[in-house]
Amino acid sequence: QSVLTQPPSVSGAPGQRVTISCTGSRSNMGADYDVHWYQQLPGTAPKLLIYANKKRPSGVPDRFSGSKSGTSASLAITGLQAEDEADYYCQSYDSSLKTYVFGPGTNVFVL
Amino acid sequence: QIHLQQSGPGLVKPSQTLSLTCDISGDSVSSDTATWNWIRQSPSRGLEWLGRTYFRLKWFSEYAVSVQSRATITSDTSKNQFSLHLNSVLPEDTAVYFCARVDVSSFDSFDFWGQGTFVTVTS
Repeated sequence: QSVLTQPPSVSGAPGQRVTISCTGSRSNMGADYDVHWYQQLPGTAPKLLIYANKKRPSGVPDRFSGSKSGTSASLAITGLQAEDEADYYCQSYDSSLKTYVFGPGTNVFVL
Repeated sequence: QIHLQQSGPGLVKPSQTLSLTCDISGDSVSSDTATWNWIRQSPSRGLEWLGRTYFRLKWFSEYAVSVQSRATITSDTSKNQFSLHLNSVLPEDTAVYFCARVDVSSFDSFDFWGQGTFVTVTS
């Protein structure tokens, strides 16, 4: 049972906008800890996509954006492309567990 | 550019010790702004943070509750690397293991990752 919850999958047609939700609790996102998002292609390591709720590392397209409010966060992908098919994970820190925590991941499928 | 290169066996017998090493280039294991982490991924447990080591005037190592009795993370400044040792392994420790960096500039996110090592625990 993950501390952070995400939908198992989302899908969209090329060019569309999809969003992935990440729900936490008062001991992680609700305690003002930042949320980060990772993209994982099959057989590779996760890649940092969004950090500190909404910042993009150098090289990440601006089609990817993040937001956080209270105990929830979301990742949006606009102008969906075939290359965006991957698993996406949210991550934060939990003060009760005293550990970094990850969501279970969301598979994005491009129709 | 920062690069993390993992090495270590992909097969470990039950009750033995799993040992993996992460070589760092482009940064220092002694950095006073970074922490050096181990994370594993399995279908049953998802992504699971295992622990970290870091240097702040002296060395610190911290572990997840799930592995703290069995895990040791060490560093070697002469080789600019850090290692994970997980003893008394069980089949449930079968997973892909990653090393990863956290830096103050990344706001507690894992900004650079090793390539991953698939470790199977089987007799």
